[in-house]
Amino acid sequence: DAKTTQPPSMDCAEGRAANLPCNHSTISGNEYVYWYRQIHSQGPQYIIHGLKNNETNEMASLIITEDRKSSTLILPHATLRDTAVYYCIVGLHGSGNTGKLIFGQGTTLQVKP
Amino acid sequence: NAGVTQTPKFRILKIGQSMTLQCTQDMNHNYMYWYRQDPGMGLKLIYYSVGAGITDKGEVPNGYNVSRSTTEDFPLRLELAAPSQTSVYFCASSLGDLGAYEQYFGPGTRLTVT
Repeated sequence: DAKTTQPPSMDCAEGRAANLPCNHSTISGNEYVYWYRQIHSQGPQYIIHGLKNNETNEMASLIITEDRKSSTLILPHATLRDTAVYYCIVGLHGSGNTGKLIFGQGTTLQVKP
Repeated sequence: NAGVTQTPKFRILKIGQSMTLQCTQDMNHNYMYWYRQDPGMGLKLIYYSVGAGITDKGEVPNGYNVSRSTTEDFPLRLELAAPSQTSVYFCASSLGDLGAYEQYFGPGTRLTVT
């Protein structure tokens, strides 16, 4: 599985967009990018995933560069409740995969009032 | 749906004791996982199961055992507890197959071994 690199921490003002970057330069053609977050002391929460097209759901948007070597998770209007550790994970997607998540250190996002 | 439930929430063990961490999901998910998280670190996979009767090792299986006799339950057994097993343990489940990486996590069990 490809490894990912994320900044250890970021700040964001409440109500502003939070843009969390992730580098995954060794990603292979059939690996997807997954994002999870972990609010203090809770279990991780799945946010979104994508292969090469931009994706959006009710929680966030995912922008993947054309060469697929990096991506950005966007929280369009960050709130204090979005303060959490955000994990970018790559993994094979398809029939028969076991879904073994490899967590790195993640990015600690602090949303400030 | 309750989702993924874990018991107990907290536990203190003495070195050499044994215990079972319970995990139950009511979403009819085929795949289940056990992760541990040490302070300030990301989660590491201990064991996983792709269906009843099928289990396999993850990154850090030593000192643990699992079984999967039903779709709903995936208990984690610690034999001869050691201080290195002090951690927060998370259970997760997913539909599996194309949805394997979209996992639902339980609230965790905080274990201290002294």
